[in-house]
Amino acid sequence: QVQLEESGGGVVQPGRSLRLSCAASGFTFTSYSMYWVRQAPGEGLDWVAVVSYDGRRKYYAESVKGRFTISRDDLKNTHYLEMNDLRVEDTAVYFCARGVMAPTLDGFDIWGQGTMVTVSS
Amino acid sequence: DFQLTQSPSFLSAVVGDRVTITCRASQDIRNYLAWYQQKPGKAPKVLIYAASILQRGVPSRFSGSGSGTEFTLTITSLQPEDSAIYYCQQLDSYPITFGQGTRLEIK
Repeated sequence: QVQLEESGGGVVQPGRSLRLSCAASGFTFTSYSMYWVRQAPGEGLDWVAVVSYDGRRKYYAESVKGRFTISRDDLKNTHYLEMNDLRVEDTAVYFCARGVMAPTLDGFDIWGQGTMVTVSS
Repeated sequence: DFQLTQSPSFLSAVVGDRVTITCRASQDIRNYLAWYQQKPGKAPKVLIYAASILQRGVPSRFSGSGSGTEFTLTITSLQPEDSAIYYCQQLDSYPITFGQGTRLEIK
């Protein structure tokens, strides 16, 4: 069935790095743009980054620009979020989601279950 | 950036009630708006896209309306399983933004 599965979360010290992965199955991966959305404990949803279906366009939230890098590997049906120079305020559950590039009428119709990233000394 | 403001932040209702959640955008976002439902420990689930189109598989008691800067999500005939947090999201431009959420409690 159509699904996304994140991995790579964990506990890391401030200033260190972590790479999240999101494996897709059940659909044509190359037809979709892929997103990362995070949610700090007890807080709302916060969009992080997007990579277009062809990998040519990438956009980032201001709060992560220059520290996070989104990428995709179409041979593996997987996209990634490389997170460098992590800060305490990056602590959150990170969700990957399927969508299309904005402007779009379509919402994010498929989400992963989320992976927890904790940044703490 | 397009800011989204939801109201109310908290809503309490009983089974069978009709409730409405409002989402106001800081600028015209046409109808590039989606609504999500999130239950504790789960990923969000899209209910409505293009401001008023019901996502396949979502019960018809959910409906959306609006365009430009003001949008509403209406739930009729509330069910116990509708207890959740509801978010609006604009997809007009980057950065994609979400409203702060409305927590719906079913008494």
